Amino acid sequence: NAGVTQTPKFQVLKTGQSMTLQCAQDMNHEYMSWYRQDPGMGLRLIHYSVGAGITDQGEVPNGYNVSRSTTEDFPLRLLSAAPSQTSVYFCASSPSPDLLTGELFFGEGSRLTVL
Amino acid sequence: DQQVKQNSPSLSVQEGRISILNCDYTNSMFDYFLWYKKYPAEGPTFLISISSIKDKNEDGRFTVFLNKSAKHLSLHIVPSQPGDSAVYFCAASEIMYTNAGKSTFGDGTTLTVKP
Repeated sequence: NAGVTQTPKFQVLKTGQSMTLQCAQDMNHEYMSWYRQDPGMGLRLIHYSVGAGITDQGEVPNGYNVSRSTTEDFPLRLLSAAPSQTSVYFCASSPSPDLLTGELFFGEGSRLTVL
Repeated sequence: DQQVKQNSPSLSVQEGRISILNCDYTNSMFDYFLWYKKYPAEGPTFLISISSIKDKNEDGRFTVFLNKSAKHLSLHIVPSQPGDSAVYFCAASEIMYTNAGKSTFGDGTTLTVKP
């Protein structure tokens, strides 16, 4: 039972480079989110999606793009990496509103360093 | 303006004693509250939740108390075990369709349970 799978687990970028963090879930969850966690801080919402084809901005969306072409996948794109984007990124999913408990299922995280 | 606050960055307790982790919130629209547990190099995992229509929810050694008038919730762990040592995040959300899966997190409290 894979749950939420994130790749890569580690990545080092140079300032200005672009990359995509992949996220896939096999639980048929409608809701998916991307969070970032900086040292000593909680998780801050970057973007989220309530279903295929629907995305919206969270608390800290600048510098990131998302798309949701399928229920399973929710990639996060860094357009032009900056040192301020050095962080640990978590993808999460949540069941449909009919079964909604609000609980998020998280991936193991992707640690990104921007030099 | 941080809407969910965990004012104690760390807590140390002796094995077998009670651990009490606190969380305050400011947004009166929050109506669902969750606690997550996070071990190093792993994603957060759901622990326990409470709806705003309740003031207490219990699951084994874990109990969450909600005081809506004070906008305060607490997580009690009794008895505490060394395996409970982790970072605990308080999260809050609004149970609406478009906000499902969109949780706001506190900065976390690192719990250390000493044998």
